Amino acid sequence: EVQLVESGGGLVQPGGSLRLSCTASGFTLSTYWMTWVRQAPGKGLEWVANINQRGSEKYYVDSVKGRFTISRDNAKNSLYLQMNSLRAEDTAVYYCARDRTVFGVVLMDYWGQGTLVTVSS
Amino acid sequence: DIQMTQSPSSLSASVGDRVTMTCRASQSIGSYLNWYQQKPGKAPKVLIYAASSLQSGVPSRFSGSASGTDFTLTISSLQPEDFATYYCQQSDTMPYTFGQGTKLEIK
Repeated sequence: EVQLVESGGGLVQPGGSLRLSCTASGFTLSTYWMTWVRQAPGKGLEWVANINQRGSEKYYVDSVKGRFTISRDNAKNSLYLQMNSLRAEDTAVYYCARDRTVFGVVLMDYWGQGTLVTVSS
Repeated sequence: DIQMTQSPSSLSASVGDRVTMTCRASQSIGSYLNWYQQKPGKAPKVLIYAASSLQSGVPSRFSGSASGTDFTLTISSLQPEDFATYYCQQSDTMPYTFGQGTKLEIK
């Protein structure tokens, strides 16, 4: 059974840092692109970043460029999101998701349960 | 970035109704369009990918279609478990942007 489990969320002060982890099981992590998506309280979904199988290609939404870094350790079946210079507007539930490509279309077919990040003083 | 605009923002309907919601892309995205369902407190779940392909395990009452930059999600006969928020997402160009969502509520 495919499972994704996020951890590392919590309360952090503005300007602080946090590192999220996503542990994968039930599939071979090294064969999939992976994505982070976030959802601010009461708001919609926002695609944040993704990373290719080897970690050599990374893409970010403009609002987190230069502050967030996506990475992975396939040997540890783990995906990470290092978040620096956090702002109040980064407050959200952060989901990791597996990317699957069908007919050339990328979809997120499995999601974790999410981890809440709260940026507040 | 490609903007995805969903309409309506909310929709009230009854069990058994046929429901349609729309997503418009700000530029051509071909068929690179997915639909997700999200229930309160839960992670999203993919329903439709490539504009009209049904994800495995999703009931056949869900269908998707496309016309140019306009995409439609249809639920043929609403069931109680379908009341949720629905998001479209383009996967043509990164960042893979989502629409703002359509909340489907019980009338």
